[in-house]
Amino acid sequence: SAVISQKPSRDICQRGTSLTIQCQVDSQVTMMFWYRQQPGQSLTLIATANQGSEATYESGFVIDKFPISRPNLTFSTLTVSNMSPEDSSIYLCSVTGGNEQFFGPGTRLTVL
Amino acid sequence: DAKTTQPTSMDCAEGRAANLPCNHSTISGNEYVYWYRQIHSQGPQYIIHGLKNNETNEMASLIITEDRKSSTLILPHATLRDTAVYYCIAAGNTGGFKTIFGAGTRLFVKA
Repeated sequence: SAVISQKPSRDICQRGTSLTIQCQVDSQVTMMFWYRQQPGQSLTLIATANQGSEATYESGFVIDKFPISRPNLTFSTLTVSNMSPEDSSIYLCSVTGGNEQFFGPGTRLTVL
Repeated sequence: DAKTTQPTSMDCAEGRAANLPCNHSTISGNEYVYWYRQIHSQGPQYIIHGLKNNETNEMASLIITEDRKSSTLILPHATLRDTAVYYCIAAGNTGGFKTIFGAGTRLFVKA
């Protein structure tokens, strides 16, 4: 199993600003995933982050808006840039382990 | 990954079995059926997965039809704490797979 922590757990931000979310895993993992969950909706995959290479973004998500860093095998960051109220969501970090995926507790972002 | 179809919501009485159906008619031969659940304000939690055979663990049972076009997740004795959104996902098991979530079924367990 994998234990994932995220910082911050929640934040309220002004439009036009940026927020960096941190994800820490208690074991080394090859792939880390970032998801977004808009209010009342299911989870949407933003990107896959491999250590030592650029992240792979899903359709509808771009690096300029959601830059990702993956400096080592236990840590990743997701930045939500130039925020607007539509970016208000829960952002979740995830890793695979064995036959399942493990998810962090999420970061609840509100953009005013 | 194959698309899955689930009912939007279901009710279940506390102590009774909750049977959650899922259709995955386009599932390919190397795709597994996974179930996750998300309790309010938490990250999703793995429940169970299977390929062809029925599976059981401490949380639930998974019944997969012989043609693999549908499956049912069974919570044998539902409790109030089982109230959550349940996601059925068809995905390959290649170690580095990414999980694509559908809309899921919102299960309400009532006293």
